[in-house]
Amino acid sequence: DAKTTQPPSMDCAEGRAANLPCNHSTISGNEYVYWYRQIHSQGPQYIIHGLKNNETNEMASLIITEDRKSSTLILPHATLRDTAVYYCIVRVAHLSGTYKYIFGTGTRLKVLA
Amino acid sequence: GAVVSQHPSRVICKSGTSVKIECRSLDFQATTMFWYRQFPKKSLMLMATSNEGSKATYEQGVEKDKFLINHASLTLSTLTVTSAHPEDSSFYICSARWQGLSEQYFGPGTRLTVT
Repeated sequence: DAKTTQPPSMDCAEGRAANLPCNHSTISGNEYVYWYRQIHSQGPQYIIHGLKNNETNEMASLIITEDRKSSTLILPHATLRDTAVYYCIVRVAHLSGTYKYIFGTGTRLKVLA
Repeated sequence: GAVVSQHPSRVICKSGTSVKIECRSLDFQATTMFWYRQFPKKSLMLMATSNEGSKATYEQGVEKDKFLINHASLTLSTLTVTSAHPEDSSFYICSARWQGLSEQYFGPGTRLTVT
């Protein structure tokens, strides 16, 4: 069922940009890419989502390749509080008539002082 | 942002007993709620999806008689783990969304330990 592939861990220096990659080569045309992060023993926090255009909000930017087979989440100026597990998720249609998330395995980002 | 709460945050129960976990959307009406399970250092696995007033839709491999889900109102869903066993020990997380938003908002999670 896995739809995304992420590196298991990354380090980033405080103040620098953190670029987190995700491969989703089997994504279908109407399936969105979502990014969440999870700080230890808490619920995931929404960051950003997109379909095919690049997106930016106050937390991050999302760059999606033209063929939609991969994307990159960019935290422009990482801080120590950005240390977390970052999940790349594909949203797919569900039997219940709504949509469901398929979580990737996540990237453990460590921001270093 | 939208706020989702869970109660209790931690629970310890004896093997063979049942335990109920509540999930509430505090500032919006949740048309759909989701229940996930997470093992240590692993990703979230969807257990079931419930629309308000309807029966839950369970993912393959999830026993519906063991994990009872009720979504009786637009702000409350409950997950009852029946006849709990030590292998049911896990971190259970709910999420909720309403029709006007595409993203899900997650609760803080409930850590269940079955002894």
